[in-house]
Amino acid sequence: SYVLTQPPSVSVSPGMTAMITCAGDNIDSKGVHWYQQKPGQAPLLVIYDESDRPSGIPERFSGSKSRNTAALTISRVEAGDEADYYCQVWHRKGDPWVFGGGTKLNVL
Amino acid sequence: EQLVESGGGLVQPGRSLRLSCTASMLDFADYAISWVRQAPGKGLEWVGFIRGRNFGRTSEYAASLKGRISISRDDSQSVAYLQMNALEIEDTGVYFCARWLRLGGGFDMWGQGTMVAVSS
Repeated sequence: SYVLTQPPSVSVSPGMTAMITCAGDNIDSKGVHWYQQKPGQAPLLVIYDESDRPSGIPERFSGSKSRNTAALTISRVEAGDEADYYCQVWHRKGDPWVFGGGTKLNVL
Repeated sequence: EQLVESGGGLVQPGRSLRLSCTASMLDFADYAISWVRQAPGKGLEWVGFIRGRNFGRTSEYAASLKGRISISRDDSQSVAYLQMNALEIEDTGVYFCARWLRLGGGFDMWGQGTMVAVSS
């Protein structure tokens, strides 16, 4: 089965830039989606298809990818950005929808 | 527009449970509906999905759960169901339903989740 690997946690100071990575074999051939989940809430789509933002998501959120790594970048981080972030891809073999293990963003 | 899950609760191991995902939206029949679960303190785990009417309303399931679950839908009532059988303690968690229209669009709407606790 396809595996997406995320760091367990990332720490950043307010106003700085946070980057959360998602590693997967040849991930650059797949559409990557990113979700934000705050405690006790449902996940929220923040980036779809690598770099597109749904309506209402601030421009501070952006996405990118290289051959084996996708990244979610949050610029000018705010306290309200503290949450768990998950990457997701569609993989045609095995379980078709795959989530990364999640990264907790700590805003110090 | 929203999705609302229901049907969760406390259930004994080995029993069955059916969860519902009721939608308030236009064109429900066009959307695929996925189920995703989250064990306490853990990450998101994809459970399965059912395609929309344009793709035959067929279903796919996580390999680890295949044989114990089934997903169905009633487009006339804008509801999708997750039937879980032979429940195990490891099935405990919050179950979310989410919609998606195309592979490139992600899960753009989620329900608030319903808690399932499997315990004797």
